[in-house]
Amino acid sequence: AQSVTQLGSHVSVSEGALVLLRCNYSSSVPPYLFWYVQYPNQGLQLLLKYTTGATLVKGINGFEAEFKKSETSFHLTKPSAHMSDAAEYFCAVSESGGYQKVTFGTGTKLQVIP
Amino acid sequence: EAQVTQNPRYLITVTGKKLTVTCSQNMNHEYMSWYRQDPGLGLRQIYYSMNVEVTDKGDVPEGYKVSRKEKRNFPLILESPSPNQTSLYFCASRTGVQPQHFGDGTRLSIL
Repeated sequence: AQSVTQLGSHVSVSEGALVLLRCNYSSSVPPYLFWYVQYPNQGLQLLLKYTTGATLVKGINGFEAEFKKSETSFHLTKPSAHMSDAAEYFCAVSESGGYQKVTFGTGTKLQVIP
Repeated sequence: EAQVTQNPRYLITVTGKKLTVTCSQNMNHEYMSWYRQDPGLGLRQIYYSMNVEVTDKGDVPEGYKVSRKEKRNFPLILESPSPNQTSLYFCASRTGVQPQHFGDGTRLSIL
């Protein structure tokens, strides 16, 4: 069975500081990995995804994530936080191939301090 | 514009009064899902459908029903709602291994 662990339900950073949101996964087969962002009173929007190929994945709004198989991790980073990055972020995993189930982490709320 | 539309967005109702939350997508996606989002628990899948007339239970199906009579629609039915079903609900759709598109959510309060 697949699972996702997001370390830290709340993360606070200063504006302009590095953003690092942690995600570890468990999967019995090669995984597909996703990061979604949820702004208040909205649905989830895809930030980026990893399926195969390059392990460093770039997404929207300056975010990127690196797939590290040896560490079973897919941490999300952004070099410089903006106030508009304040939101809740969800990591998700799916087993590769076909219409496989997507399992979500419990989410990390990012606060950006001016 | 590609979208997943849920209705209603907000609903306050009472225990035992049947309700339906509608979900419609205009992308011709085969796969549709319902999730509930609760604080500290993330998103948990309630039911999913891989195509018309094909539905299956997710992780938390108790107290819910779904149907998939048409490709674009995937309603969520609460036959006898209870307070523990107070939550934020999301419908999502996708095709193949592509990421899911989510609706804007339905906030249900059951008193």
